[in-house]
Amino acid sequence: GENVEQHPSTLSVQEGDSAVIKCTYSDSASNYFPWYKQELGKRPQLIIDIRSNVGEKKDQRIAVTLNKTAKHFSLHITETQPEDSAVYFCAASTGFQKLVFGTGTRLLVSP
Amino acid sequence: KAGVTQTPRYLIKTRGQQVTLSCSPISGHRSVSWYQQTPGQGLQFLFEYFSETQRNKGNFPGRFSGRQFSNSRSEMNVSTLELGDSALYLCASSLEAANEKLFFGSGTQLSVL
Repeated sequence: GENVEQHPSTLSVQEGDSAVIKCTYSDSASNYFPWYKQELGKRPQLIIDIRSNVGEKKDQRIAVTLNKTAKHFSLHITETQPEDSAVYFCAASTGFQKLVFGTGTRLLVSP
Repeated sequence: KAGVTQTPRYLIKTRGQQVTLSCSPISGHRSVSWYQQTPGQGLQFLFEYFSETQRNKGNFPGRFSGRQFSNSRSEMNVSTLELGDSALYLCASSLEAANEKLFFGSGTQLSVL
């Protein structure tokens, strides 16, 4: 079955810096890759997603890139702000099947 | 529009007992998925229901079961609780697909003593 690995587990940046979180997946048939943000004590929320027929997608300060050949995808956050501090989860799925999540990255943005 | 509602918010049980968790999806959403969240393990998929039928299943033992009612509300049951079942159980709903645009509930924090 699908396996998703996520790195780093913890990331500390200064406000205004960029942050990059990377994920690799094992199933070459995976075609949908969302990212969820979970603030402390709150529910996960979808922040951006990408399909396998697209190489990059942007939404204001966040972007996701996908390299199908290498089977990895990344989340890029520019001009980080303290409110970006949270745990970020990547996930992958095939068709309309279940999501397989990575183990999460705790991002801490210091003022 | 009301979000995904899970009850109860907290539960404390002892080993060997059973527990039932409830999830009310967003109105109009027909797919309901359940995930177990533990520190360091991320979110592990339990199962997904669509139109009262289990459509997808994760790799959990048979002690974990669920069902969905005609109004899309879903329940999850865990029998013969073990210490390792202590976790946050999250429910997520979506319009149709099990994987796209999931809206999560706040979860039920289960502690097994």
